[in-house]
Amino acid sequence: NAGVTQTPKFRVLKTGQSMTLLCAQDMNHEYMYWYRQDPGMGLRLIHYSVGEGTTAKGEVPDGYNVSRLKKQNFLLGLESAAPSQTSVYFCASSYSYGYTFGSGTRLTVV
Amino acid sequence: DQQVKQNSPSLSVQEGRISILNCDYTNSMFDYFLWYKKYPAEGPTFLISISSIKDKNEDGRFTVFLNKSAKHLSLHIVPSQPGDSAVYFCAASRSFQGAQKLVFGQGTRLTINP
Repeated sequence: NAGVTQTPKFRVLKTGQSMTLLCAQDMNHEYMYWYRQDPGMGLRLIHYSVGEGTTAKGEVPDGYNVSRLKKQNFLLGLESAAPSQTSVYFCASSYSYGYTFGSGTRLTVV
Repeated sequence: DQQVKQNSPSLSVQEGRISILNCDYTNSMFDYFLWYKKYPAEGPTFLISISSIKDKNEDGRFTVFLNKSAKHLSLHIVPSQPGDSAVYFCAASRSFQGAQKLVFGQGTRLTINP
């Protein structure tokens, strides 16, 4: 009963490095989302997907790219990491209003 | 432009008493409202929701009230228990291309004191 799985759980990057965060869901949900959580800011939507092969920008998309090649996976990429991207990243999936979240990836950019 | 606001960063309540968490929103197009609970090092988990056509929804110890004219919703927890200590996020939803895009408030850290 995995639900939504995020890898890795922790990562430290140097400024300018790139990385990909992986989100996998086993609930056959159509919709998937990437959020970031920062102190005092709540969760802000980065990108989302309404189905395999489709992605769209959310509230704070700059500096990130996403891909949804398979229905169960949603990848978040940072091409050139910046200290402002230090955050906790949450992936979620849904079929309707109720989101199921992963446990998060804590990313530090130094 | 913060469309969903939780103005209290923290709240401390005695065990057994009522906890009231508040949330305000600005966009009248939101059609569904939800509360999520988050423990440290875990993802948020769904707690309770309410449709914009209702003014109250109850689930055990948790009740959510919606006042559309004031664009305000609140979560009541009674009686409060130590396990309720967590960060609570209010969220509002709009349908877009079939997806339900959630806009979250900043969160309120609830501490239940024994």
